[in-house]
Amino acid sequence: GENVEQHPSTLSVQEGDSAVIKCTYSDSASNYFPWYKQELGKRPQLIIDIRSNVGEKKDQRIAVTLNKTAKHFSLHITETQPEDSAVYFCAATSYDKVIFGPGTSLSVIP
Amino acid sequence: DAGVIQSPRHEVTEMGQEVTLRCKPISGHNSLFWYRQTMMRGLELLIYFNNNVPIDDSGMPEDRFSAKMPNASFSTLKIQPSEPRDSAVYFCASSPLRSGSGNEQFFGPGTRLTVL
Repeated sequence: GENVEQHPSTLSVQEGDSAVIKCTYSDSASNYFPWYKQELGKRPQLIIDIRSNVGEKKDQRIAVTLNKTAKHFSLHITETQPEDSAVYFCAATSYDKVIFGPGTSLSVIP
Repeated sequence: DAGVIQSPRHEVTEMGQEVTLRCKPISGHNSLFWYRQTMMRGLELLIYFNNNVPIDDSGMPEDRFSAKMPNASFSTLKIQPSEPRDSAVYFCASSPLRSGSGNEQFFGPGTRLTVL
């Protein structure tokens, strides 16, 4: 079955710096890659997603890249702000089955 | 739309008792997912349904766990008998079905289960 790895597990950055989170997946049939943000005590919420026919997608300060050949995808957050502090989960989806990575705890230091 | 609704929000029970968690998906969504979240194991997919039919229950940890979706607007996750290691936050999520491909999942607020 699908296996999703995510690195780093924790990340601290200074406000205004960039943050990068990387994921790898194993199932070549996966074709949809969402990223979820979960604030403490809250539910996961989608922040950006990318499908396998696209290599890069950007939405304001966040961007995602996908390398299907290498089975890698990454989340980039620029100009980080304290409210970006949360746990971020990547996921890989194959035929509606979603497998989440273990999460990255991001701390943005003011 | 009120979003995905889960009840109860918190449940404290004693080992051996039966626990039933409930979920109402967003109207019009065809897919429903049950997840368990713990510090040790992260966010685990337990089971998911498409059009009320269970598609994959390979994540259900043991026979003590069962899930049903009797209609498009209601699903239950039952644990019988419960054990302390079942303590976790259980999320329900729904999604519009997109055949052969994934789509955004909308999570409910979760049920925090504590088994003493």
